[in-house]
Amino acid sequence: GDSVTQMEGPVTLSEEAFLTINCTYTATGYPSLFWYVQYPGEGLQLLLKATKADDKGSNKGFEATYRKETTSFHLEKGSVQVSDSAVYFCALRGVRSSASKIIFGSGTRLSIRP
Amino acid sequence: DVKVTQSSRYLVKRTGEKVFLECVQDMDHENMFWYRQDPGLGLRLIYFSYDVKMKEKGDIPEGYSVSREKKERFSLILESASTNQTSMYLCASTPVKSAGANVLTFGAGSRLTVL
Repeated sequence: GDSVTQMEGPVTLSEEAFLTINCTYTATGYPSLFWYVQYPGEGLQLLLKATKADDKGSNKGFEATYRKETTSFHLEKGSVQVSDSAVYFCALRGVRSSASKIIFGSGTRLSIRP
Repeated sequence: DVKVTQSSRYLVKRTGEKVFLECVQDMDHENMFWYRQDPGLGLRLIYFSYDVKMKEKGDIPEGYSVSREKKERFSLILESASTNQTSMYLCASTPVKSAGANVLTFGAGSRLTVL
């Protein structure tokens, strides 16, 4: 079945460092891919998404490119800020699947030091 | 601003108690979901509903039931709470159609502790 694997945390970086959080997936066809973020004390919110191969999703300085050849959707940011401290979830929705079939990774906790 | 509101942010209950978690959305979404979030396990779907009075089991429905009497409200019920149900519970919704059909809108979560 479909699955999502993301790098384990926690990840601790200094402010202005470069960030990569790895995410790989297993699915048939071309699923839709998502990154959700959960700030402290809040629910999850959509950060970015991509629905077809080679699409790049971007938001708030974060980017992720849908790589079919490596089945990956790594999250990157060039210069992180303290306010980026949160838990990040990679997720996929399979082809012709309903929203009830969205599969989440285990989450990666990111902490940014001033 | 569109919202999913969960009525209780923090609850402490005793083993065997009946627990109600309430969720209300103001976006006229057809689909509503209850997830459970545990460290290292990500989000796991408990139940979802695609219409009033309609419900489907998710991946971990055991020990839970749900109720959807109105479109905007979706309740999660723990008939007899147990300590292994201590967790963060997240409610979410999506429309059936439109560009937002892929995207879950989440509430802030309800952290339940069962003693």
